[in-house]
Amino acid sequence: AQSVTQLGSHVSVSEGALVLLRCNYSSSVPPYLFWYVQYPNQGLQLLLKYTSAATLVKGINGFEAEFKKSETSFHLTKPSAHMSDAAEYFCAVRSSGGSYIPTFGRGTSLIVHP
Amino acid sequence: SQTIHQWPATLVQPVGSPLSLECTVEGTSNPNLYWYRQAAGRGLQLLFYSVGIGQISSEVPQNLSASRPQDRQFILSSKKLLLSDSGFYLCAWSVSGVGNTIYFGEGSWLTVV
Repeated sequence: AQSVTQLGSHVSVSEGALVLLRCNYSSSVPPYLFWYVQYPNQGLQLLLKYTSAATLVKGINGFEAEFKKSETSFHLTKPSAHMSDAAEYFCAVRSSGGSYIPTFGRGTSLIVHP
Repeated sequence: SQTIHQWPATLVQPVGSPLSLECTVEGTSNPNLYWYRQAAGRGLQLLFYSVGIGQISSEVPQNLSASRPQDRQFILSSKKLLLSDSGFYLCAWSVSGVGNTIYFGEGSWLTVV
């Protein structure tokens, strides 16, 4: 079985501040992990994914995420928020030994204040 | 490169009317295809997925149905819409293989009035 928990349905930061969006997963086998971004009225766009290579994964738009097996976490970070980062962010997990259907978190809305 | 298109982008339908949303993938063969729904303020709900022509799996019992008449075409339908069917519908695709990424279409806004 696999599951994803995104802590905080809304995260608010000031422009230029650190962005931290939390994602914890549950998987009985090594997972594949993904972060997606969704801008208003658009589909989801892949930000980055972890597939058992390097634990620190760099994605588009300056985002990165670190896979921590001991903490079962895959938090998304960006050193300096930009107004254009305001969007909905989804974490997803796929278990390597199970269904190819990913499980998505409920999403975190990132609000960036000027 | 692969692309995915879904249409229409927006539609307003009366309760009890039929629905047809279409999705087409280009640049790949035998993709896995998915239909998701996002209700306002909620996460993604998987409605249907397909691993091949005529092979449809339903995740949630409801008055919606899906069909895959061609390898790269996925259609979401309803004979009679309910108010609760309103939402943002997303088509998606992936190649087979558990580690492969799911790619999403632009989405279709459905408002049932």
